[in-house]
Amino acid sequence: EVQLVESGGDVVQPGGSLRLSCAASGFTFSNYAMSWVRQAPGKGLEWVSAIRSSGGSTHYADSVKGRFTISSDNSKNTLYLQMNSLRAEDTAVYYCIKGFWPSGSPHPFDYWGQGTLVTVSS
Amino acid sequence: QSALTQPASVSGSPGQSITISCTGTSGDVGGYNYVSWYQQHPGKAPRLMIYDVSNRPSGVSNRFSGSKSANTASLTISGLQAEDEADYYCCSYTSSSTPWVFGGGTKLTVL
Repeated sequence: EVQLVESGGDVVQPGGSLRLSCAASGFTFSNYAMSWVRQAPGKGLEWVSAIRSSGGSTHYADSVKGRFTISSDNSKNTLYLQMNSLRAEDTAVYYCIKGFWPSGSPHPFDYWGQGTLVTVSS
Repeated sequence: QSALTQPASVSGSPGQSITISCTGTSGDVGGYNYVSWYQQHPGKAPRLMIYDVSNRPSGVSNRFSGSKSANTASLTISGLQAEDEADYYCCSYTSSSTPWVFGGGTKLTVL
């Protein structure tokens, strides 16, 4: 059974940093692209970032480019999102997602974790 | 990159069919067959319902179907059931610098 468990969400001041983690199990982690999608309270979904399988190429939304860094550790089956220079508009639940196709595109977004809440506030 | 355009809400009675539209441009929905649909119940994570415009993942009811015409993709749910009441989001690959974009979401109410 595929399981994705996010952690690291917290309350942080504007300008601060936070690192999210996503522990994956139930599939061969290194074979799949992984993504982060966020959802502000009461709002819709926003794609944030993706990394191709085996720590390959990375992609970012314009809204986070230069501030967020996605990475993965295949030895730990864990996905990360390093978030710097946080802003109030980054407040959201962040979901970790497994891609549908082995060795393929991050999209479509197959299995979703339950999410971790990041609140940026002074 | 602007979000894809979806109606804010749709409704239908049990047993009826409804269709949710997702309108984009030739740079996203119209240009690629990489449209997906997600169902989200309150307080839950989204679930993949349709991928590549019209394909259903294993385990998704055949009451859910997808299609596309020009720059508009559509999700049709037939034989509406109470458990279909949820928010639905479309998503498409785009040629812009942000490679994937979601629609604003549609709240489905089963009357």
